[in-house]
Amino acid sequence: ETGVTQSPTHLIKTRGQQVTLRCSSQSGHNTVSWYQQALGQGPQFIFQYYREEENGRGNFPPRFSGLQFPNYSSELNVNALELDDSALYLCASSPGGRTGDTGELFFGEGSRLTVL
Amino acid sequence: GENVGLHLPTLSVQEGDNSIINCAYSNSASDYFIWYKQESGKGPQFIIDIRSNMDKRQGQRVTVLLNKTVKHLSLQIAATQPGDSAVYFCAENRSSGGYQKVTFGTGTKLQVIP
Repeated sequence: ETGVTQSPTHLIKTRGQQVTLRCSSQSGHNTVSWYQQALGQGPQFIFQYYREEENGRGNFPPRFSGLQFPNYSSELNVNALELDDSALYLCASSPGGRTGDTGELFFGEGSRLTVL
Repeated sequence: GENVGLHLPTLSVQEGDNSIINCAYSNSASDYFIWYKQESGKGPQFIIDIRSNMDKRQGQRVTVLLNKTVKHLSLQIAATQPGDSAVYFCAENRSSGGYQKVTFGTGTKLQVIP
């Protein structure tokens, strides 16, 4: 069983640029959630994808967008990067779908984004 | 690696002692409460959860207590080991609009003194 994998692990961008982060969910998981973790903070929920549709979103502006593909892998896109977007971006998969279980999340090791 | 412990409250415990990490929550509608462990340079890892209609649940060396009256959650780690050093987050899971929304707290850094 393959766990959640994310790429790239580290990247540096400048203000105004765009970035795409990628995530492969754990085998058998159809739900992917994205979190932003600033240094010294807990992860903040960005959005969740279930069967290729966004089915929940946190308090993030529209320049944060995503996709989920038929194989349940996912992308996070951030446009018009700002300095405050510097953070660890975590992808988590789960098998639960829309309802049911505890919501246990299986996290990847994250993509560290630095915006200069 | 990623220093997720920066600026976090820190609990220092002697190896072999018991650790108690506390968390206050605000949302009474949460369905589950969950504890995650995050080691430096890694993503959070599930430890244990508790349903909102329970007040105690035990795992291997860990116990979670839930006090709904005062909206307080705690994680007890028995016989703390150096490998327990990490940042611990409590999280709430609530069904919202047909999906499970997991909200994390700010975290506590556990330092185990050998």
